[in-house]
Amino acid sequence: DQQVKQNSPSLSVQEGRISILNCDYTNSMFDYFLWYKKYPAEGPTFLISISSIKDKNEDGRFTVFLNKSAKHLSLHIVPSQPGDSAVYFCAASEQGNKLTFGGGTRVLVKP
Amino acid sequence: EADIYQTPRYLVIGTGKKITLECSQTMGHDKMYWYQQDPGMELHLIHYSYGVNSTEKGDLSSESTVSRIRTEHFPLTLESARPSHTSQYLCASSEGQPFVETQYFGPGTRLLVL
Repeated sequence: DQQVKQNSPSLSVQEGRISILNCDYTNSMFDYFLWYKKYPAEGPTFLISISSIKDKNEDGRFTVFLNKSAKHLSLHIVPSQPGDSAVYFCAASEQGNKLTFGGGTRVLVKP
Repeated sequence: EADIYQTPRYLVIGTGKKITLECSQTMGHDKMYWYQQDPGMELHLIHYSYGVNSTEKGDLSSESTVSRIRTEHFPLTLESARPSHTSQYLCASSEGQPFVETQYFGPGTRLLVL
């Protein structure tokens, strides 16, 4: 039973436009959420995170939104750049314990 | 910049061989993890450790074993490799602060068992 789901396996977006990645979770005890970016043949790298006490966190071109009532979070990348082409994983943890990952969304940014 | 290393990066090996995948981190992190990831799939936690001499099995059943004799070192061993073990293995570590579980990943080991 997947507790963290990324229902869109892939996303294609034009350079300069906004990329919106979505993630849903089922465990209401999750209190910390993260997004990771992964290039082929490399390990995931941490991108941005949000605590459950917030509903938005912004870092440069990346913004994460959290809707606790809907158990939904999203990552916005604007403007999208070709170097953003990668697989993005959302992850969640409960009280600092091990992370549960979603299945990933492959983003392709076209020049 | 996270300092976590994995060797080898790529490994092709025959069925029945014993292999050890190495993972080391220089950040002094207490928590370390092993994940298995097949192409296009989510990361599955197979082992984790909250400190020296502490090891636990993760959510995904695995025939591998781990040890944590030193804080910085968390090797994973397969006693007898099989084609079903073909996958990417990712090691990670974190500081273990409550409510702040940011894990730093190594580059991964791609294992192919023939």
